[in-house]
Amino acid sequence: GDSVTQMEGPVTLSEEAFLTINCTYTATGYPSLFWYVQYPGEGLQLLLKATKADDKGSNKGFEATYRKETTSFHLEKGSVQVSDSAVYFCALSRMDSNYQLIWGAGTKLIIKP
Amino acid sequence: EAGVAQSPRYKIIEKRQSVAFWCNPISGHATLYWYQQILGQGPKLLIQFQNNGVVDDSQLPKDRFSAERLKGVDSTLKIQPAKLEDSAVYLCASSLNRGNEQFFGPGTRLTVL
Repeated sequence: GDSVTQMEGPVTLSEEAFLTINCTYTATGYPSLFWYVQYPGEGLQLLLKATKADDKGSNKGFEATYRKETTSFHLEKGSVQVSDSAVYFCALSRMDSNYQLIWGAGTKLIIKP
Repeated sequence: EAGVAQSPRYKIIEKRQSVAFWCNPISGHATLYWYQQILGQGPKLLIQFQNNGVVDDSQLPKDRFSAERLKGVDSTLKIQPAKLEDSAVYLCASSLNRGNEQFFGPGTRLTVL
């Protein structure tokens, strides 16, 4: 079945550091790929998405590129801020699975000033 | 625009008791989802409604869990009787239609003692 694997956390960085959170997936066909973020005390919210190979999703300085050849969708940001501290989830969905979201386990990101 | 509302936010019960969670989706959203998120894991879909019909309940433990979405708006998820392993955050999400962005409520944190 479909699955998503993302790097374990917590990931601890200093402010202004470069961020990469790895995400790889296993799925048949051509899934859509997502990054969701959960800030402390808040609900999950969509950060960015990509629906086909080589698409780049971007939002709030975060980027991720849909790489079909490596089945990856790594999240990157050039300069993190303390306010980026949150849990980040990678997920996929496919039309023929009723668009059900399949989630990774989440990566906690801690940014120190 | 009001977001997805859930209540209660927290619930503590003894094992074998029953509990119910309520969700009010964003107005006009046809698709409603209930997820279970165990600590340290990504959310797992329990049930998906399209208007007031069930699209997918393959991962709902039907011997103890039930859900309904009367009139295609609000939804209730019930657990009866609860087990220790039901301790989790129960998330409700809604989308305009299947395949559209899912918007999440703040969740209900259930602790079963």
